[in-house]
This record gives sequence, structure tokens and C-alpha cells, in this order.
Amino acid sequence: GESVGLHLPTLSVQEGDNSIINCAYSNSASDYFIWYKQESGKGPQFIIDIRSNMDKRQGQRVTVLLNKTVKHLSLQIAATQPGDSAVYFCAEKFGLTGGGNKLTFGTGTQLKVEL
Amino acid sequence: GAVVSQHPSRVICKSGTSVKIECRSLDFQATTMFWYRQFPKQSLMLMATSNEGSKATYEQGVEKDKFLINHASLTLSTLTVTSAHPEDSSFYICSARRQGGGLGYTFGSGTRLTVV
Repeated sequence: GESVGLHLPTLSVQEGDNSIINCAYSNSASDYFIWYKQESGKGPQFIIDIRSNMDKRQGQRVTVLLNKTVKHLSLQIAATQPGDSAVYFCAEKFGLTGGGNKLTFGTGTQLKVEL
Repeated sequence: GAVVSQHPSRVICKSGTSVKIECRSLDFQATTMFWYRQFPKQSLMLMATSNEGSKATYEQGVEKDKFLINHASLTLSTLTVTSAHPEDSSFYICSARRQGGGLGYTFGSGTRLTVV
């Protein structure tokens, strides 16, 4: 279903610490997931993606974990930097039989990195 | 890499007027483009999906006669907000998906619409 948040949850971390941002997705038929970073006044920026046939994928300083059993997605950012401060959204794509190729976005999490 | 250009980045218009927002894929052909609306401190809400050469598919609750979408070519989609009202003030974002499949979705930089 659609995710609409009245306010954004906030995660505050110290510079250099690891960050973990969580997302609960809605459709068990979703076959592809993406994490986006959005800075104020800008469009979403791709971070990392994962297909439903995987449970973990690593990028540079980022790792995405997928738990299909509980429909949960997480984004781990290693050694968080001030430039990581932004809003992070997960997005899911339903399979071809259930909604075509559109993306549905999660509520979002505001990440604040403290010096 | 794939780049999507969205124009204008900011626009202020008077109530009752119409505003057109353009979304262009600069270095690839986009079979499908998506239009989202985002209110402050909220998530992106899909408004409609447009496929080149065919009518757009609107999400439930989105007025197709108010938000006109035209996807006349593989590199350009436009969203026209007709008879704009202050409640239409929002951040509008387009996204394009590459022709030929693939999983890449590229987003534009967004348009801040303020209706006064």
C-alpha cells in the first residue's frame, strides 16, 4: 500500500559511527528494492539496490539487507560522514503481475550526523 | 550515466493559472516516465505513469483533468497543472526508466511549485 508520513522519523548518529536505517515494505510480491538519499530541495539520489532473490548486497560504505520473511529492508552506512545527512527512502517495485514497474516509496528517515 | 533534466526548478504562479513542468532524459530513451508529488516532511507519492505515445495511467485520487501529462517522445514528458490552487503547492518530481528494460530509475531534480 501507499506510505504517507505526517513527520519523518529521525536518526541521529555521531560522525564516524555506523548508521542503520530500517524500512518495512508492504507487498510480498515486490521483486526489487532501492534505497535513495534525498537532500533538501533535490530529487532522490540512487544509493544501492537489491533484487528479491538476494538477502544482502554491499556497495562502497553501504550495505543493504533484505529479510523477505518479515518484509524488512535495512540500509547500513559505515563510518557515517556529515555529507550523509539527508532523508533516506526505501522504494519497492511490485512484480510484473502486480502493479507493473512503478516504485512505491516508504515513509523516509531523516539522518542527522553530529560532529 | 543516465541524466534526467527537470525544468523549471522553481515556479510561482497565481491561482487559476496553469503551469507546465518538463522532464527530459538527456542521454537515454525513456519508455516510461513517472510523476511524483512530495509535500514537506513527507514521502514521494506517485501521481501517474506515462508511456510514450499512450495515455498516462493515474493513481487513485489524482485528477487526470487537473494534472495533464503528455509523453510525446522517448525523451520528453510534461506535467501541466491546470487551474492551480494554493493546495497544489508542492514539490513535483519526475523519474524516467530506460527503454529496453533494466532496473534503473533516474530522477529529476524536482520542481518547487508555489501557487499564490
